[in-house]
Amino acid sequence: AQSVTQLDSQVPVFEEAPVELRCNYSSSVSVYLFWYVQYPNQGLQLLLKYLSGSTLVKGINGFEAEFNKSQTSFHLRKPSVHISDTAEYFCAVSSNSGYALNFGKGTSLLVTP
Amino acid sequence: DSGVTQTPKHLITATGQRVTLRCSPRSGDLSVYWYQQSLDQGLQFLIQYYNGEERAKGNILERFSAQQFPDLHSELNLSSLELGDSALYFCASSVDGRGNYGYTFGSGTRLTVV
Repeated sequence: AQSVTQLDSQVPVFEEAPVELRCNYSSSVSVYLFWYVQYPNQGLQLLLKYLSGSTLVKGINGFEAEFNKSQTSFHLRKPSVHISDTAEYFCAVSSNSGYALNFGKGTSLLVTP
Repeated sequence: DSGVTQTPKHLITATGQRVTLRCSPRSGDLSVYWYQQSLDQGLQFLIQYYNGEERAKGNILERFSAQQFPDLHSELNLSSLELGDSALYFCASSVDGRGNYGYTFGSGTRLTVV
């Protein structure tokens, strides 16, 4: 079965600074990878996904992620964050051998002025 | 609005009681997934239905059950409630049976057991 580890539970960053949220996965088969964002008191919203093809994936709100098969990683990056990016970010994995997305425990991104 | 509708948004009930959470998937989606989100456990997959049939089971307690109806809406039934069942319950939907293209989530039902 596939699983996901989000290496940081909290990431504080100043506004306009770059940020990287780390995600590692474990799976013995080909995977599909996702990043979701959850704003306070809301549901999860899909930021971006890697299904196949180019390893650099661009998503909404200026976020991008790079799939690295040798490192089994799918880190999320943004070159310049805004206050409004403050939220919980979840990495998730699925595969053709499974049915449901497995989510990491989340990384809380706190952007301050 | 994601297109996935969950009702009610909030629910407060006493221990030992039974509640039903409802989910209408996004138009055209055949799969419905139920997740429980709590501070200590994170997002835990409970159960999936695809076109009316149970497709996969996760960490769902025996006190919990679900079904998907012919119109594709789904209900999650939680019985003999305990304090530890207090959590956010999310429904998500996808067009395929594996969620390989991602899910669309509803805004959740916050259950408080007192």
